[in-house]
Amino acid sequence: DGGITQSPKYLFRKEGQNVTLSCEQNLNHDAMYWYRQDPGQGLRLIYYSQIVNDFQKGDIAEGYSVSREKKESFPLTVTSAQKNPTAFYLCASTLGLGTVVGNTEAFFGQGTRLTVV
Amino acid sequence: AQSVTQLDSHVSVSEGTPVLLRCNYSSSYSPSLFWYVQHPNKGLQLLLKYTSAATLVKGINGFEAEFKKSETSFHLTKPSAHMSDAAEYFCVVSDLDTSGTYKYIFGTGTRLKVLA
Repeated sequence: DGGITQSPKYLFRKEGQNVTLSCEQNLNHDAMYWYRQDPGQGLRLIYYSQIVNDFQKGDIAEGYSVSREKKESFPLTVTSAQKNPTAFYLCASTLGLGTVVGNTEAFFGQGTRLTVV
Repeated sequence: AQSVTQLDSHVSVSEGTPVLLRCNYSSSYSPSLFWYVQHPNKGLQLLLKYTSAATLVKGINGFEAEFKKSETSFHLTKPSAHMSDAAEYFCVVSDLDTSGTYKYIFGTGTRLKVLA
């Protein structure tokens, strides 16, 4: 079955550490996204990528980095510069380039809950 | 810029009674609108979407929503709530940013509680 797989489901980070969250999709989607979810705030866009080897900052990119070396993979690194990283992180993908398909729905992974210890 | 407002952060209904989750949007053009559902510690699942076709949109699990341009609303309804409907619901508008790329603007969510 096609879908998006995020791993790990739970992740614990010590102060000052970088951690990487994995996101893989086998839907053959061009666009991939990372969102952060905090209670009562909905989802906020961190980074997105429309095609391989290209990505753009979202609304809250500070303290995060991404790469898009393969179409199916879009890992997110939470760096030590992110002062409040404890949150639920969601990866999503859409079928085509955003300029063409504004009405296409996003498919979501099951999320990674990151906790600073 | 587009925005979306979910008017209730929490809604409680009794099992078997109707559900109404309210969503208002602002948009400078004809928007695409979505409702997603999220169960605890899970990803989001699409319930339904409006894309300028029929204004009454039917989705999964008996949910439907009506696009009302004059009221800039896209409220989600269900005639009879089931215990399994207890979850968080997000209203989403598709936003065209300055680079010509569509992005999704999420409401802050409505947590639905279903009482036995």
